[in-house]
Amino acid sequence: EVQVVESGGGLVQPGGSLRLSCAASGFTFSSYDMSWVRQAPGKGLEWVSSTSGNGGSTYYADSVKGRFTISRDNSKNTLYLQMNSLRAEDTAVYYCSKGSRPAPMRDYFDYWGQGTLVTVSS
Amino acid sequence: DIQMTQSPSSLSASVGDRVTITCRASQSIGTYLNWYQQKPGKAPKLLIYAASTLQSGVPSRFSGSGSGTDFTLTISTLQPEDFATYFCQQSYIAPRTFGQGTKVEIK
Repeated sequence: EVQVVESGGGLVQPGGSLRLSCAASGFTFSSYDMSWVRQAPGKGLEWVSSTSGNGGSTYYADSVKGRFTISRDNSKNTLYLQMNSLRAEDTAVYYCSKGSRPAPMRDYFDYWGQGTLVTVSS
Repeated sequence: DIQMTQSPSSLSASVGDRVTITCRASQSIGTYLNWYQQKPGKAPKLLIYAASTLQSGVPSRFSGSGSGTDFTLTISTLQPEDFATYFCQQSYIAPRTFGQGTKVEIK
């Protein structure tokens, strides 16, 4: 059974940092792209970042470029999102999602975690 | 970025109704269009990919169609568990963008 489980969310002050983790199981982790998608309270879905199966390619939304870093450890079946210089507008539930292909393009998100809430507030 | 526009933003329907949701892309995306269902407090769930392919385990009352810029999600006979918010998403060009969502409520 495919499972992805996020952790690491919490309350952080503006300008602070946080690292999210996503533990995956039930599939060959290194064979699929992985992504972070967020949802601000009461709002829609926003793609944040993706990485290819081997971690060699990474992609970011303009809204987080230069502040967030996605990475993966295929030996631990774990995806990460390092979030720096956090802003109030980064407040959201962050979902880890599995892609359907090795590269994050022209595919779909076939499995999602339950999400972890990040609140940026003083 | 490609803009995805769903209509309506919300609708009220009764159990047994046929429901159609539309998604329009700001430029042609072929059939690189996916549909997700989200219930309150839960993660999104993939329903349909590549415009018309039903994800494994999804009931056959859900169907998708379209290509280019115009797409539809149809629920043939609405069931109580189908009351949720539905999102379309394009994967033709980065960044992968979502529609704003359509909330299906009980009439």
